Amino acid sequence: GDSVTQMEGPVTLSEEAFLTINCTYTATGYPSLFWYVQYPGEGLQLLLKATKADDKGSNKGFEATYRKETTSFHLEKGSVQVSDSAVYFCALSDRVPPSYGKLTFGQGTILTVHP
Amino acid sequence: DAGVTQSPTHLIKTRGQQVTLRCSPKSGHDTVSWYQQALGQGPQFIFQYYEEEERQRGNFPDRYSGHQFPNYSSELNVNALLLGDSALYLCASIALDRSSYNEQFFGPGTRLTVL
Repeated sequence: GDSVTQMEGPVTLSEEAFLTINCTYTATGYPSLFWYVQYPGEGLQLLLKATKADDKGSNKGFEATYRKETTSFHLEKGSVQVSDSAVYFCALSDRVPPSYGKLTFGQGTILTVHP
Repeated sequence: DAGVTQSPTHLIKTRGQQVTLRCSPKSGHDTVSWYQQALGQGPQFIFQYYEEEERQRGNFPDRYSGHQFPNYSSELNVNALLLGDSALYLCASIALDRSSYNEQFFGPGTRLTVL
């Protein structure tokens, strides 16, 4: 079945540092890929997405590129802020029935940014 | 426009009891999925409802059941609660037939504690 593997956490950085969170996936079909963020005490929010190979998703300074050849979707940000402290989840979803709309998540990576 | 809403926010039950969680989807969405997020883990897909029927199901026992109403709202029922059912339960909605990509919107979740 489909699966998502994220880099081991937690990740602790100083403000303005460069961030990379690795994500690789296994899928039988041709999935859409997502990064979700979860702030303390809140539900999940979509951070960015990519729906086909070589697409780059971006939002709030975060970027990730859909790499079909390496089955990866690594999250990057050039300069993190304290407000970026949260849990980040990589996820995939098949685009055809019957699995349409079913999200498969990685285990999450806790990011803590210090001033 | 109200997003996805869930009730209650928190719930405490004892082993063997039954629980019902509720979800109202985002306006314009007709499909509801439920996820279980154990502490420190990524969300796991429980099932998805569309047109008042269960369309997909994850690897969860029959103790987990659901329902979707004509107004698209949904309930998740768990019978014979076990300690291992303690988790954050997330509801997500999507416009299954009208979205060009399967972006889902999540509610804030219901925190279930089984004692």
